[in-house]
Amino acid sequence: DVKVTQSSRYLVKRTGEKVFLECVQDMDHENMFWYRQDPGLGLRLIYFSYDVKMKEKGDIPEGYSVSREKKERFSLILESASTNQTSMYLCASYPAGGYNEQFFGPGTRLTVL
Amino acid sequence: EDQVTQSPEALRLQEGESSSLNCSYTVSGLRGLFWYRQDPGKGPEFLFTLYSAGEEKEKERLKATLTKKESFLHITAPKPEDSATYLCAVQAPYNTDKLIFGTGTRLQVFP
Repeated sequence: DVKVTQSSRYLVKRTGEKVFLECVQDMDHENMFWYRQDPGLGLRLIYFSYDVKMKEKGDIPEGYSVSREKKERFSLILESASTNQTSMYLCASYPAGGYNEQFFGPGTRLTVL
Repeated sequence: EDQVTQSPEALRLQEGESSSLNCSYTVSGLRGLFWYRQDPGKGPEFLFTLYSAGEEKEKERLKATLTKKESFLHITAPKPEDSATYLCAVQAPYNTDKLIFGTGTRLQVFP
C-alpha cells in the first residue's frame, strides 16, 4: 500500500516564525503536492513538484515556498507564519504518466497564534 | 473557468435511507473524475475514478456514476459508519497532474 506520512499531526506556532512541514512517500512517485483545506473553500493547491528539485506554483503560493531535494520528500515552508495561514495542510503523491488517483497523507493541523 | 460544484453541502440520513450526492463540473475534455471520502481530522481516502460518460463503479454501499456534466455518488442503505465528508475532484486536460476539488458534501447517518 502507498504510504504518505506527514511530520506532525498538530502544530502550534507564533506569528513570524519560520515553519517547516515535511511529507514523505514510500512508493517512488514522481509527483508530490501540497494543499491547504479550509471550511467552505475545499482543497486548494499551494505548490506541486513533478521531479526532484522541480517545483511549480499552484493556485495560492503566496507566503509559501517548497523544497524537494530527494524524490521521496517534499517540504512546505512558511517563511514568516501569519494567522491567516492557520489551516489543515495536506500532502499528496501521484505516479507520473497516468490517470491515477492522488494518495493523501493524514494532514497537519497548523495553528498560528 | 474550470469548476467543480458539489451539492448538497450537508446531508442527514436515517440509517437505511438511500440517497445521492451530486458533483457537477465544467471542464473541457475531462480526463478523470475522482471521489474521495474524508473523515474528520484525516486526509482524503480514495474511493473511485471515472473516465467516461456512462461509466459506473461500485464499492459496498456506494455507487458512482458519470455523465457529461455531472457525477452522482449513490449511497444505498447507509450505515452510521458511512458518515464522512465526500469530495469530488476532476483532472483537467491542460495539466494532467492537477486536480480541481469541490468543497464536499458532509454526510451524517443516524441510527
